[in-house]
Amino acid sequence: AQTVTQSQPEMSVQEAETVTLSCTYDTSESDYYLFWYKQPPSRQMILVIRQEAYKQQNATENRFSVNFQKAAKSFSLKISDSQLGDAAMYFCAYRSFGGGSEKLVFGKGTKLTVNP
Amino acid sequence: EAGVAQSPRYKIIEKRQSVAFWCNPISGHATLYWYQQILGQGPKLLIQFQNNGVVDDSQLPKDRFSAERLKGVDSTLKIQPAKLEDSAVYLCASSSTGYNSPLHFGNGTRLTVT
Repeated sequence: AQTVTQSQPEMSVQEAETVTLSCTYDTSESDYYLFWYKQPPSRQMILVIRQEAYKQQNATENRFSVNFQKAAKSFSLKISDSQLGDAAMYFCAYRSFGGGSEKLVFGKGTKLTVNP
Repeated sequence: EAGVAQSPRYKIIEKRQSVAFWCNPISGHATLYWYQQILGQGPKLLIQFQNNGVVDDSQLPKDRFSAERLKGVDSTLKIQPAKLEDSAVYLCASSSTGYNSPLHFGNGTRLTVT
């Protein structure tokens, strides 16, 4: 079974600075998807960025980018120019490419605090 | 487009009572998921529907939890009887068919069992 590990329960960053959240995963599959979701106090999970494992180029979405290291099974999220609205729980998630189940497997999350 | 709707937003019950949650997915989304998120943990899949059929319910405690998706649209998740350890946020999500289709989540129901 696939597992996702987020080793940083909490992180903090100064407004306008850059922060990197870590994620590692364990799988025997060669094709899969990886995601970062943001969960503010409203509880709604919001998709931040996603990466297809067969693509070598790292995904970017405005101030959010990933460092995907397939061999190391590492998928970190970099937030540049941090804003107060970025404060939330961040979850790394894995999704299988096949087998009939398209479920997401989540890590335990990292709580990000942005200091003004 | 309208998002995933869930109700109620909050629910407090005593142990051994029953409770039901409702979810209305985004129109046209064939796949519906129920996740359980215990405080301090990431969401864990309870059950996945494809239209009105069950794709994955391997982590659903079937002795007390049940779920249905009549007519392949909205869904209900029921707990009977509830235990203290069922206190959690219950998230519903939906997606269109395809592995590249992102999941869209509702705001969840926070259940407290006393």
